[in-house]
Amino acid sequence: GQNIDQPTEMTATEGAIVQINCTYQTSGFNGLFWYQQHAGEAPTFLSYNVLDGLEEKGRFSSFLSRSKGYSYLLLKELQMKDSASYLCAPMDSNYQLIWGAGTKLIIKP
Amino acid sequence: GAVVSQHPSRVICKSGTSVKIECRSLDFQATTMFWYRQFPKQSLMLMATSNEGSKATYEQGVEKDKFLINHASLTLSTLTVTSAHPEDSSFYICSARDGADMNEQFFGPGTRLTVL
Repeated sequence: GQNIDQPTEMTATEGAIVQINCTYQTSGFNGLFWYQQHAGEAPTFLSYNVLDGLEEKGRFSSFLSRSKGYSYLLLKELQMKDSASYLCAPMDSNYQLIWGAGTKLIIKP
Repeated sequence: GAVVSQHPSRVICKSGTSVKIECRSLDFQATTMFWYRQFPKQSLMLMATSNEGSKATYEQGVEKDKFLINHASLTLSTLTVTSAHPEDSSFYICSARDGADMNEQFFGPGTRLTVL
């Protein structure tokens, strides 16, 4: 079957760094997306990895290891507005995104 | 990036009525559109995939006669919730994919449906 495993909730301090891990199993693989979703809003795109390694984009970086079925999202210099859910979504062989429940990130001052 | 709009953003209706939600791609041609539903604190659930000019493909457990999907043009798809009931109250989100790029989906802002 297809499944996503992320921590349900994480807490971090403003200005700090946090890493959100994701392991996945899919039927085929066409890359992995990370989305941010604030409460009551639709997901917004953060990153896309299709090859192994680290992709850096400003305060956010995403890492992928296809052989391990593993990815992480790294958030630096945390701001209060980063409080949201972070969704790891691999894309299967049919180009469909597979969704888990996401990780709720709570930022404390 | 590409923009997808949804209308209405919020709707409240009485039980038994039908509600239509529109999803539009504003600056690209969406050969494929996806309709999701999300209940509070749960993951997005794919309801159906629609390709322009053809019938939608529904996920297991989603009633196609209750959730009517029409994708009549490359920029517009509609979801009609027929004979809505309180248990249909949810956050409905569409996303669209440009045929030239199979990998990225662009999400609309979502529609909050409340059925009284």
